[in-house]
Order: sequence, then C-alpha cells, then structure tokens
Amino acid sequence: AQSVTQLDSQVPVFEEAPVELRCNYSSSVSVYLFWYVQYPNQGLQLLLKYLSGSTLVKGINGFEAEFNKSQTSFHLRKPSVHISDTAEYFCAVSDHQAGTALIFGKGTTLSVSS
Amino acid sequence: DGGITQSPKYLFRKEGQNVTLSCEQNLNHDAMYWYRQDPGQGLRLIYYSQIVNDFQKGDIAEGYSVSREKKESFPLTVTSAQKNPTAFYLCASSMAGNPGPDTQYFGPGTRLTVL
Repeated sequence: AQSVTQLDSQVPVFEEAPVELRCNYSSSVSVYLFWYVQYPNQGLQLLLKYLSGSTLVKGINGFEAEFNKSQTSFHLRKPSVHISDTAEYFCAVSDHQAGTALIFGKGTTLSVSS
Repeated sequence: DGGITQSPKYLFRKEGQNVTLSCEQNLNHDAMYWYRQDPGQGLRLIYYSQIVNDFQKGDIAEGYSVSREKKESFPLTVTSAQKNPTAFYLCASSMAGNPGPDTQYFGPGTRLTVL
C-alpha cells in the first residue's frame, strides 16, 4: 500500500529566506507525485507534479521539487519566500492507474513572517 | 468558466439529521472524489466514482452515502450514523478512462458543523 509522510507539521520562516518542505513516500509500484497548496478555508490548488522524465520539476509561484527515487522523496523548495506563501502544503501520491484517488500526507503549515 | 462548485460553503446540522453536500463540475471529467479534512489529519478519501452510476468506498466511507446519476454531479450525504461529522469536506474531479496521470481539481469546500 502507498503512503506519504510529510516530515514537518509546521515550518516557520522569515520573509525572503529559503524553505524546504519534506515529503517521503512508500510504494511498491511506479507513482506520480504531487504538491498542492491550500490557503485558509479554501480548496486545494496544484503547485506541481512529477510524472516522468526530469527529476527536477518547476511549478507555480516559484516553487520546485526534486524527485529522488533512491530516497523515495519529493521535497518542495523555494529560494525566497513571501508573506503570501503562508499556507498549508500537501504532498500526494497516486499510482499509474487512471482514475484512482490520491493518497495525501498530513500537511505542512508554512508560516512566513517579516 | 470551468471549475468545481460546492454548496453550501457553511452548513450547520443538528445531531441525528441527515444532510447532503452538493458538488458540481463543468470540466467534463469522468472521475469525482469526496475527501474529508480534519486539522492535522490531511485529506482522507470518503468515496470516489470513475464513471456514472458507479462508485467505490474510500478509507472512511462509514456513515456516508453518495450517488452518481449525472457525469457533472456527485452529491455526498452525511447520515446520522456518522459519529463525528464536523469537518471540512472537499470535492475533486479528474480525467479518467485513459491510462496516465490524473491531476485532481478541487472545489472550495463545505464546512459542516454539527450542533
């Protein structure tokens, strides 16, 4: 069975500092990997996804993530955060069967302060 | 504009009452999903449907029911059998039917509070 572990429940950072949100997964099959962002009282918005090919994936709002198969990780990074990046971030995995549901991690709350 | 709508945004229910949450999409997606979100728990799958008139239980289906009579609609009923229904409910949809990656698109959510 697949599972996702987000290693930090909360990450506080100062504005313009770099940030890394960590995500590890377990699966016995090939997977697709996703990062979603959720602003307070809203739905989830896709930041980026890894399907195949280049292991470095670039997404919206200056975020990027690197797929590391040997370490089964998909960490999310941003070189310089803004106050507006304050939100909850979810890592998710799905297998290669179309129409299957995502397995989500428990989320990481990113708090950016000035 | 294409997207997913959920209504109502806030819903209050008395104990012992059934309540139905609406989810509509105009993205022409085949698959639809219901998730429940609790603080610190992430999103947990309640039910999903890959095609009209068919649906499967997710990880926490007890106390919930769904129907999929139309491609664009996937209502969720929270029954009185659900012991702790207060939560944020999210509906999502994705393309299905073709092997490949499925990005799920989410609605804005419904916050259900049991009084």
